Amino acid sequence: NAGVTQTPKFRILKIGQSMTLQCAQDMNHNYMYWYRQDPGMGLKLIYYSVGAGITDKGEVPNGYNVSRSTTEDFPLRLELAAPSQTSVYFCASRIAGGSTDTQYFGPGTRLTVL
Amino acid sequence: QKEVEQNSGPLSVPEGAIASLNCTYSDRGSQSFFWYRQYSGKSPELIMSIYSNGDKEDGRFTAQLNKASQYVSLLIRDSQPSDSATYLCAVSKDSNYQLIWGAGTKLIIKP
Repeated sequence: NAGVTQTPKFRILKIGQSMTLQCAQDMNHNYMYWYRQDPGMGLKLIYYSVGAGITDKGEVPNGYNVSRSTTEDFPLRLELAAPSQTSVYFCASRIAGGSTDTQYFGPGTRLTVL
Repeated sequence: QKEVEQNSGPLSVPEGAIASLNCTYSDRGSQSFFWYRQYSGKSPELIMSIYSNGDKEDGRFTAQLNKASQYVSLLIRDSQPSDSATYLCAVSKDSNYQLIWGAGTKLIIKP
């Protein structure tokens, strides 16, 4: 049981390049999330999904896209990278509702855009 | 006004003492409240969740919720150096699909 996995762990992009951050979970959770965390700041929601084929925007979706074709995978696409997208990106999956409500986070991807 | 507010700290507490972390929120419709711990360079992990007014205890940790005053707190008894971390408060939005996160309080336990 690997939990939530993310690849890559680190990446440096040049301005204008594109990339996909991969996220997978093996806990059969319906809810999945993408966050970014800037230094000294809390988590800001980029996109979330409540099930395969269903995605919705969070607080800071501009410059990003997602898809959810399976329960397990929730990739985040960055198009035309900008320095403002330099951040740590966390993917999470969640058991929602009730006393066991918990978000499980992946180890994060540290992205630098130069 | 931020939706979820925390004192950024750092909060410095002697080893063995009680650490008290506070969080206020603006959405009166919020139903679920969470405290996550994040070590430097690591991902957040759940410490406590609380859903009704009052106290909830789990080992050295106690979460307190007061919906009328819109605050939630976390007490850590017998603080240990390993408790040094940033503590994030998270609050559900009405739909419960999303959590809104505070910026976190950095806690330092001094040996």
